[in-house]
Amino acid sequence: RKEVEQDPGPFNVPEGATVAFNCTYSNSASQSFFWYRQDCRKEPKLLMSVYSSGNEDGRFTAQLNRASQYISLLIRDSKLSDSATYLCVAGRDDKIIFGKGTRLHILP
Amino acid sequence: DGGITQSPKYLFRKEGQNVTLSCEQNLNHDAMYWYRQDPGQGLRLIYYSQIVNDFQKGDIAEGYSVSREKKESFPLTVTSAQKNPTAFYLCASTDSPSMNTEAFFGQGTRLTVV
Repeated sequence: RKEVEQDPGPFNVPEGATVAFNCTYSNSASQSFFWYRQDCRKEPKLLMSVYSSGNEDGRFTAQLNRASQYISLLIRDSKLSDSATYLCVAGRDDKIIFGKGTRLHILP
Repeated sequence: DGGITQSPKYLFRKEGQNVTLSCEQNLNHDAMYWYRQDPGQGLRLIYYSQIVNDFQKGDIAEGYSVSREKKESFPLTVTSAQKNPTAFYLCASTDSPSMNTEAFFGQGTRLTVV
């Protein structure tokens, strides 16, 4: 079993729709959690950190459920520019682990 | 400006040759990482280092070697033992994985072995 698992995708959704990404992590020692965005043939870049209390940044909302070892990302009112691969990340004392990513295509 | 720099951006090598990819950071980060990404795939951890002169194998270390002689530098050597070396290689650094801090990536090196 992979340490960080995500929905396989791809997700093809119309512009303006709400998109939800799910992610689970298997190592209960994980202490920090993030969502990254990766555009085609580019390096990943931090989208947002994820906190137990939940956090929101504009159209993006991230949630962490430590009991279920589950992380989510919600994108509201999706834009064409949101098309990318979204990577779930879990960090613990010695390393950071990336999920395989979920590709999102926003359709005009 | 602080950041992490990988070079070269594109690299072509003949099969059977060793090749070294450079990664330098001036962020004063303790931890550095090497990942491999194949088309349509996620990031797989090759090696990582928490401190100078120490490093650990990741999930796919076979056929690769690293060194961490300086805090700023974490070069990756792709040896002839690596069966399928053609891939996109990404280097990253963090202040500390146990802290809620961002991982910074270099722009990556696309290695093609012919």
